[in-house]
Amino acid sequence: TQLLEQSPQFLSIQEGENLTVYCNSSSVFSSLQWYRQEPGEGPVLLVTVVTGGEVKKLKRLTFQFGDARKDSSLHITAAQPGDTGLYLCAGASPGNQFYFGTGTSLTVIP
Amino acid sequence: DAGVIQSPRHEVTEMGQEVTLRCKPISGHNSLFWYRQTMMRGLELLIYFNNNVPIDDSGMPEDRFSAKMPNASFSTLKIQPSEPRDSAVYFCASSFGTSGGSRTDTQYFGPGTRLTVL
Repeated sequence: TQLLEQSPQFLSIQEGENLTVYCNSSSVFSSLQWYRQEPGEGPVLLVTVVTGGEVKKLKRLTFQFGDARKDSSLHITAAQPGDTGLYLCAGASPGNQFYFGTGTSLTVIP
Repeated sequence: DAGVIQSPRHEVTEMGQEVTLRCKPISGHNSLFWYRQTMMRGLELLIYFNNNVPIDDSGMPEDRFSAKMPNASFSTLKIQPSEPRDSAVYFCASSFGTSGGSRTDTQYFGPGTRLTVL
């Protein structure tokens, strides 16, 4: 049973387009993180959100934590080929358990 | 600065053989994590250590898997005997925190070891 479901699983878009990736759960998380993983490498942390409703921006990336702390979204504006990779959300439960999401594989076509 | 170092990067072995994966965390970090990544199950936490002590090993699949951290700069993950279903990429990550391995501490991942068990 996957606690964190990500959608879509695969996404292929043209350079310059906008996109949103979702991370959903029926469980409450005390914090949620987003990572990007490139082929042959380990995941790299992009952001951590801890407060319900929190919005963080990282250049063209906007991260939002749901008000109930059960879901999150990642929005990319004007996607570039360098954004290509596997995007993973990860949540820490109140009991300090840690789970990664199912992942979204993004391909940005030049 | 050196990041998390893992060795070997690739390992191919036959079913039944013992496999040992190695990890050197970032100097000064006090938490170390072992993960396994497969297409079917995604990225799974196997075990994590805080100050060299195993804190949570509930993700370790079965008794064939064991992990040790004899000192702050070295950890091993051993599989004995190995089986084809163990084939995956194994990642080691480390972090620094003051709250016993809080999950909000930034984890730095190594490049992984790709294990193939024939």
